Amino acid sequence: KAGVTQTPRYLIKTRGQQVTLSCSPISGHRSVSWYQQTPGQGLQFLFEYFSETQRNKGNFPGRFSGRQFSNSRSEMNVSTLELGDSALYLCASSREGAEAFFGQGTRLTVV
Amino acid sequence: DAKTTQPPSMDCAEGRAANLPCNHSTISGNEYVYWYRQIHSQGPQYIIHGLKNNETNEMASLIITEDRKSSTLILPHATLRDTAVYYCIVRVVWNNNAGNMLTFGGGTRLMVKP
Repeated sequence: KAGVTQTPRYLIKTRGQQVTLSCSPISGHRSVSWYQQTPGQGLQFLFEYFSETQRNKGNFPGRFSGRQFSNSRSEMNVSTLELGDSALYLCASSREGAEAFFGQGTRLTVV
Repeated sequence: DAKTTQPPSMDCAEGRAANLPCNHSTISGNEYVYWYRQIHSQGPQYIIHGLKNNETNEMASLIITEDRKSSTLILPHATLRDTAVYYCIVRVVWNNNAGNMLTFGGGTRLMVKP
């Protein structure tokens, strides 16, 4: 079966712009989580959505937001981009209480 | 979730067993041990998980000590493609309110050498 799909794979944005990343979970998975990975901070949890509701949130500023649709697909948005937002953004989906499966990520570069 | 401690890096000869240790001395009774790996610039890949019994699947074996304060991931015959960063994570599973958040540490960078 198809894995977790993230689009786009690569993105270049300018400081001050906003960006939307998309994640399609594995069929049947209702939990979608987002992570940010940078060389300095490693893999950090952003937020988790389950049944269209944000269930957990990491320690990130309000510029980072997300949502989940009724088909479990999820989007995350970053507004007023900063150079430090350059990172690999990873999405993971899972059944409740089961292991998470990750997508290949979206590499965002802010210039 | 409990914190884990892993060595930052390890080397292993191709074809030999790779034994990756993880210390989780503050683990709670309802927390599982999960292992993921991340090959350069790809998303983390689930390997195996366990509660207190040893577990084996097609990828690896997981040995958990009786007091559950540490565990070892074993790749029985390491290949060059096993070169990756390996993450040990402990998390509560059977608590729906906890959600599915994973807390990653620094992991162990395993280098498999020919």
